[in-house]
Amino acid sequence: KAGVTQTPRYLIKTRGQQVTLSCSPISGHRSVSWYQQTPGQGLQFLFEYFSETQRNKGNFPGRFSGRQFSNSRSEMNVSTLELGDSALYLCASSVTGTAGNTIYFGEGSWLTVV
Amino acid sequence: EDQVTQSPEALRLQEGESSSLNCSYTVSGLRGLFWYRQDPGKGPEFLFTLYSAGEEKEKERLKATLTKKESFLHITAPKPEDSATYLCAVQAYTGNQFYFGTGTSLTVIP
Repeated sequence: KAGVTQTPRYLIKTRGQQVTLSCSPISGHRSVSWYQQTPGQGLQFLFEYFSETQRNKGNFPGRFSGRQFSNSRSEMNVSTLELGDSALYLCASSVTGTAGNTIYFGEGSWLTVV
Repeated sequence: EDQVTQSPEALRLQEGESSSLNCSYTVSGLRGLFWYRQDPGKGPEFLFTLYSAGEEKEKERLKATLTKKESFLHITAPKPEDSATYLCAVQAYTGNQFYFGTGTSLTVIP
C-alpha cells in the first residue's frame, strides 16, 4: 500500500516568489493536513482538508493557502515568499481526520527561500 | 491552551542502556496521544496511539505508557538504529488538530 506522496522533495525559491506543493494521500484517506517544521518551532499546524473543504486552520498568515481535490489530493500554496518560510513542509493523511484517527506523514518538501 | 512539552531535548545512550523519554501535556479533553519517530531528512513515522490513562503499547524495544498528565516512551536495551528524533503529539476532542512537542533527539552509541 503506497504511503503519502509529496512533490517536489526539494526546491529553492527567491524571496517574493510563490510556491505550490503537492500531496497525494494514502488510498482511501479523505483527510489531508499540512504542517510546517522548523528547527526552532517544531511541527506547526497549517490547515486540514476533508472532502474538498477546509475544516481547520492554524495560526499562519493568509499567504499560506491550500485546497483539496475530489480525489483527495491536496496542494498548498505560499505566496510572496519570505526568508522565514524556509522549512520542511509535511503533509499527513488519515481516513477521516476525526478525533482519534492516526495521521500518517509523507517525506516532506524541503523549501529554501533565498 | 493545548500544549505539549517533551524532555529531555537530547539524550545520548550507550547501546544496551535503557532509558525513558517524557511527554507532558495539557489539553482540554484528550482524544489521543501519539508517538512518532523521525529520521533526519524524512517525515515522521507513526509508532503508537494511546487513548486513556493506564494504557500501554509495545513494539520491539519500545513501550509507551500514558497517565492523565504525561506519557513515557521507554526504550529497553537500545541499539544504534534506534537513533532518531521521537515526537509526541496530542489531539483534543474538539478541533481534530494535532499539537506536537519539539521532540527528543536520541543518539545510541555503539
